[in-house]
Order: sequence, then C-alpha cells, then structure tokens
Amino acid sequence: GAGVSQSPSNKVTEKGKDVELRCDPISGHTALYWYRQSLGQGLEFLIYFQGNSAPDKSGLPSDRFSAERTGGSVSTLTIQRTQQEDSAVYLCASSPRTGMDNEQFFGPGTRLTVL
Amino acid sequence: AQSVTQLDSHVSVSEGTPVLLRCNYSSSYSPSLFWYVQHPNKGLQLLLKYTSAATLVKGINGFEAEFKKSETSFHLTKPSAHMSDAAEYFCVVGTSGTYKYIFGTGTRLKVLA
Repeated sequence: GAGVSQSPSNKVTEKGKDVELRCDPISGHTALYWYRQSLGQGLEFLIYFQGNSAPDKSGLPSDRFSAERTGGSVSTLTIQRTQQEDSAVYLCASSPRTGMDNEQFFGPGTRLTVL
Repeated sequence: AQSVTQLDSHVSVSEGTPVLLRCNYSSSYSPSLFWYVQHPNKGLQLLLKYTSAATLVKGINGFEAEFKKSETSFHLTKPSAHMSDAAEYFCVVGTSGTYKYIFGTGTRLKVLA
C-alpha cells in the first residue's frame, strides 16, 4: 500500500516568504506528527495531531509556524516570513493509533532551503 | 522525562565484522524503544522495537537489540556487516501522553570493503 507522502520534496525560498508543506498520511492513520531534521539540532518534534485536533504543539519553534489537518487526513505545515534558520528537512509521520509503543511511519521529507 | 543518548556519532567497521551501535536511555517508567535507519536521501525505516514483551528483540536485515534495564541500555548489534548497512541509525524513545518520539543524535555507520 501507499506510504506517507510529502510534497514538495524540495523547496527553495527567499527569506521573508511564506511556505506550505504538505503531508498525506497512510489512509486510516489517526495520529500524525511533524518533525524537523536540521544540522546541529538533530531530529526534533514539532506538532502532533490526533484526528483534526492538535493536542501537542509544544515543539513549534515560534508563532511563525502553524499546522492544520483536515478530514483526519492531509496536513499542512505553514511557515510564515521564513528565516535562514528554518532551513531543514521537515518530516511527517503517521501512526494507526496512539500509544507509546506504536510504530510511526515516516515520509521522505521536504527539504526546505531559505536563501 | 525521557531521553536517549547515542554514545558514538560515527562508527566504522569492515565488511563481515560485527556491528555495535550504543544507546542509553532515561525514563521514569518502562520505556518503549526503537531503532530506525536512514539511508542517504531516503526516509526513516523501523529496524526494531522494544515494548517489554522480550528483552532481546530481532529486527530486519539481521539486526537485533537487547534491552538491559540494569544498564539502561538498548544497544543495536549485527553479527556481520554488509556494505548496504552504511547509513545513519537513530535510537528513539516513545513518550507517554502524546506518544511523540524523542530521537537520539544519530550514529553514522560506515562499512569498509
């Protein structure tokens, strides 16, 4: 079956512009996570969705970052007024249910470069 | 709070020799632990997971890991390295509440011919 997909795979933008990153989770997966992978910071959690609600936004680095999920499926991560430090690979993961021992399935990521 | 520490940022082994990637965890309760692998320009793939059913966990591609509570360790091993094992490996702890992952800093494995 289809895995987690993300688009675009690469995004180059100029400082100050807004960007939208999309994640299509595996069908039927209720939990969705965004992570960021950057040099020097490793892999860090950004936000978690259970269905369409986001009970944990604690990892969003600033109010320039926001995310939504509609229909319990597709999620969009929006970064406003991008800065060079936002350059990273943004990873999305989904899981069929919540639980500490549940495997998360990762997408290939979106590489964001802010010039 | 949970955390994981990967003790080596880089490991080099010769093809056909054993692999040992070290991970220590900290958790206030019985943890769920995972090892993921990331090949260059590829997504993260689950190698194996520990969820208290058995302390020795077998994963894909001949990898296994042993949960040692007394040592708070979850080291990843493979008896014989293959060139295709060259990748970055992440030790991960699952958290309660929102079940987000906390990642270690990664170990880059290099396999020499």
